[in-house]
Amino acid sequence: GEDVEQSLFLSVREGDSSVINCTYTDSSSTYLYWYKQEPGAGLQLLTYIFSNMDMKQDQRLTVLLNKKDKHLSLRIADTQTGDSAIYFCAESGAGRRALTFGSGTRLQVQP
Amino acid sequence: DTGVSQDPRHKITKRGQNVTFRCDPISEHNRLYWYRQTLGQGPEFLTYFQNEAQLEKSRLLSDRFSAERPKGSFSTLEIQRTEQGDSAMYLCASRGVSTDTQYFGPGTRLTVL
Repeated sequence: GEDVEQSLFLSVREGDSSVINCTYTDSSSTYLYWYKQEPGAGLQLLTYIFSNMDMKQDQRLTVLLNKKDKHLSLRIADTQTGDSAIYFCAESGAGRRALTFGSGTRLQVQP
Repeated sequence: DTGVSQDPRHKITKRGQNVTFRCDPISEHNRLYWYRQTLGQGPEFLTYFQNEAQLEKSRLLSDRFSAERPKGSFSTLEIQRTEQGDSAMYLCASRGVSTDTQYFGPGTRLTVL
C-alpha cells in the first residue's frame, strides 16, 4: 500500500533555513501536500504541489519534488520561533480520495 | 469564521460509554472526511462523504463506529461502547468541488478512561 516517511525531528536556529524531507512509495501520487500542526490544534495547509511540477515557491516556503526518487522537501527560509510545530507530508493518488500522511517532523526553532 | 468547526473540542468518557462528535464543514464544500490521529502519528483516514452519501470507509472503522451526513452539510461520528484504544484526536476535513485540497478542523480530542 501507500507509505509516506519523514524524519522525526529537526532543530534549527532562528534566521536559518529549515529543510524537511519526505519520501513516498506510490508512483501514482498526483498531489503532495505539506501541513503544519501546532500543539493541540488541527492541521493547517501550508502548500501543495501537483506531480507534474518540480518546484513551487510561496513566500518563505519552497517545495521541491523529485518524482523519479519519490522525494519531497519543504524549505522554510528565515525560520522563526513561530514556525516551531509538527510538519506533515501527505499525498493523494489517482482513484484515492483520502490523504496518506507521514508521521510528522517536529521542527524546533532555537532563539 | 468560515473554516471547518468541530464540537466538542475535548471529550472525556468512561470505557463502554457512547460518544458523538459533530463536524461542520466549510460552507458549500460537498466532500467531507473523518480522520483519526493518535499520539506521535499522522492522521489516518476513517471515512469519506460526497454530499450525503458515504462513499468510502477504511478498515479502521470498526462496527462500533458510525458516521452520518444526513443533509449533506454537517456530519456526526458516533463511537459505541468506547474502548481505551479509541483515545485519539478525531479530525474532520472538507473539500470543495473546485479545489484539490482538504481543509481541516481543530479536532476533537477523545480520552477514554
